[in-house]
Amino acid sequence: LAKTTQPISMDSYEGQEVNITCSHNNIATNDYITWYQQFPSQGPRFIIQGYKTKVTNEVASLFIPADRKSSTLSLPRVSLSDTAVYYCLVGEGGGSQGNLIFGKGTKLSVKP
Amino acid sequence: GAGVSQSPSNKVTEKGKDVELRCDPISGHTALYWYRQRLGQGLEFLIYFQGNSAPDKSGLPSDRFSAERTGESVSTLTIQRTQQEDSAVYLCASSRLGTSGGARETQYFGPGTRLLVL
Repeated sequence: LAKTTQPISMDSYEGQEVNITCSHNNIATNDYITWYQQFPSQGPRFIIQGYKTKVTNEVASLFIPADRKSSTLSLPRVSLSDTAVYYCLVGEGGGSQGNLIFGKGTKLSVKP
Repeated sequence: GAGVSQSPSNKVTEKGKDVELRCDPISGHTALYWYRQRLGQGLEFLIYFQGNSAPDKSGLPSDRFSAERTGESVSTLTIQRTQQEDSAVYLCASSRLGTSGGARETQYFGPGTRLLVL
C-alpha cells in the first residue's frame, strides 16, 4: 500500500520554478521527509530533507505545512539537466525498520 | 571506494538459472537496503540489513529471492530459478545508522545491476 502520492509527471521550461507536491497522510511523529532525484540509468541521489516549515539548500527548497501531511519540493529556475524522476520518501508509521516507502515518483521533463 | 558499488553492472541470464548480485556498501555504514526497479516504475523495497539484527525480509516477492550480509560489509542478493518477470534493475543502498529515525538517514545508492532474463 503506497504511503505517498505524487503527480506522475510534470512538464516545465528552462528558467521556470517547479513545485512538486507529495501527500503523506500517515506520516509518523518522528518521521522526516526526504526527496531523492534519479537520472536515467543511475541510482537515486539525495536532494533535500526536512521535518517541518521550510528547508533550503543550494539545490532546492522544501516546504512543509504545520500538519505535515504533505510537502512541496521547489526547484528554482530549472535547466534541462533537472530532467529526472523525483521521489518523496517518508518513514512508515509504526517504526517498522527498513520498510521505507518511496512514492512512485514524479517524472519532470524540462524543455528548452 | 567512496560510494556504493554493485556488480555486475549488467547480467543476462536464461529463465530457470540462478543469479547472484553483489553490493559493496560505503565503509562504516551499518544499514544496507536492496530495491527492485522495473522499467519505468518506482522503487520496490526488497530487504534491509541493520548491523547484526535479523534482516527485514518483508519486501521479498517470493522464496526464490534471498539475501545475505556478513557483518557490515558486502551483501549478496540471490535469485533462484529466474523468471522473465524478474527482469529489472536491482539497486542497493546503504546508510550510516539505519531507520531508527524514520526517513532521517540519507540513503546512498549504487548504480544498480540491470538483470535481463531471457
